[in-house]
Amino acid sequence: DTAVSQTPKYLVTQMGNDKSIKCEQNLGHDTMYWYKQDSKKFLKIMFSYNNKELIINETVPNRFSPKSPDKAHLNLHINSLELGDSAVYFCASSQDHWETYNSPLHFGNGTRLTVT
Amino acid sequence: GQQVMQIPQYQHVQEGEDFTTYCNSSTTLSNIQWYKQRPGGHPVFLIQLVKSGEVKKQKRLTFQFGEAKKNSSLHITATQTTDVGTYFCAGRGAGSYQLTFGKGTKLSVIP
Repeated sequence: DTAVSQTPKYLVTQMGNDKSIKCEQNLGHDTMYWYKQDSKKFLKIMFSYNNKELIINETVPNRFSPKSPDKAHLNLHINSLELGDSAVYFCASSQDHWETYNSPLHFGNGTRLTVT
Repeated sequence: GQQVMQIPQYQHVQEGEDFTTYCNSSTTLSNIQWYKQRPGGHPVFLIQLVKSGEVKKQKRLTFQFGEAKKNSSLHITATQTTDVGTYFCAGRGAGSYQLTFGKGTKLSVIP
């Protein structure tokens, strides 16, 4: 199936731990994103990569570090997890590139992170 | 920075009633997209509006983009239980590559 897939689906961990979420898209898209959705369902952009290059880096704690080994993958590593990091994290991709930004986003199924 | 306001936050309707959600931007938008997120699911793209005053229909859903390209609406006629979910608008400012999401409208349909 062509899709945006992210793993794991659920992640329960203790404060202070380090964890990673992986994302892969086989849609041939140039741009990938990480969004955070809090308990009130607000979707907030965290990072965006275009062809492995960081183009959006919102005000996110330095504990969050994205890595894009190639344009089909965008992983998210989180250091020293805090209670407030509990949320659903969505990976997404789009066919956008520098000249045109009008493509729809294709979201993964989300990773529900619970920090205890 | 760009802000996209969406109202109402919640809407409960009886099945068969109509539903409308509204989006307003603090700046002129180059385009606006609409997404639907079912409970427990992920946002799914519905449609994109680009032109001033544009109106698009998908069966019972009607999408409008304002003349000034600063507001948009989604109207559902005769809601069904399958319409349940949270509807998000997302806009791009003119010359910007960043897509800003509204806070969403959660629709509940009472059978």
